Amino acid sequence: NAGVTQTPKFQVLKTGQSMTLQCAQDMNHNSMYWYRQDPGMGLRLIYYSASEGTTDKGEVPNGYNVSRLNKREFSLRLESAAPSQTSVYFCASRQDGSNQPQHFGDGTRLSIL
Amino acid sequence: QKEVEQDPGPLSVPEGAIVSLNCTYSNSAFQYFMWYRQYSRKGPELLMYTYSSGNKEDGRFTAQVDKSSKYISLFIRDSQPSDSATYLCAIFNAGNNRKLIWGLGTSLAVNP
Repeated sequence: NAGVTQTPKFQVLKTGQSMTLQCAQDMNHNSMYWYRQDPGMGLRLIYYSASEGTTDKGEVPNGYNVSRLNKREFSLRLESAAPSQTSVYFCASRQDGSNQPQHFGDGTRLSIL
Repeated sequence: QKEVEQDPGPLSVPEGAIVSLNCTYSNSAFQYFMWYRQYSRKGPELLMYTYSSGNKEDGRFTAQVDKSSKYISLFIRDSQPSDSATYLCAIFNAGNNRKLIWGLGTSLAVNP
């Protein structure tokens, strides 16, 4: 049972390069999320998708775009990477219902030089 | 004032100690309270979930909610080195935005 799978696990980019972080879940969840986690800042929501075909901004959306390709997949794109985007990125998914937890992948560690 | 406050630690205890981890929150309308555990280089995983005030026990772990004080706690009894991790409190906002509000996490080291 894979749960939430993120690719790649590690990536180094140069300033100005673009890349897409991939996320897929096999739990048939409607909601999916992208977070970044930084020391002293905790988990911050970048974008989320409540269902296939819908996306909404979170707390820190600037510099990012997302695509909910289908129910399983939710990708995060950096169009022009900046050093401030160096972080660990987590994807999560959740079943509907107030008491349902978010299930996380193991993260993508991204360094931008 | 942040909606959820959590002391980041680090906290270091000997094996077998009782550990107390705490968060405070500001909005009295919050109803759903969660504790996540995050091992190094892994994503957070749900440890415990509570809805109402009072205690909820699961093995060596007890989650406590005091809504009158807006204070939540996680107690770990007979702590083990395998409990070394970062513990994050999270509160589900069932209101308009229906998002999780996260504490910063407390780093715990249990020394053998």
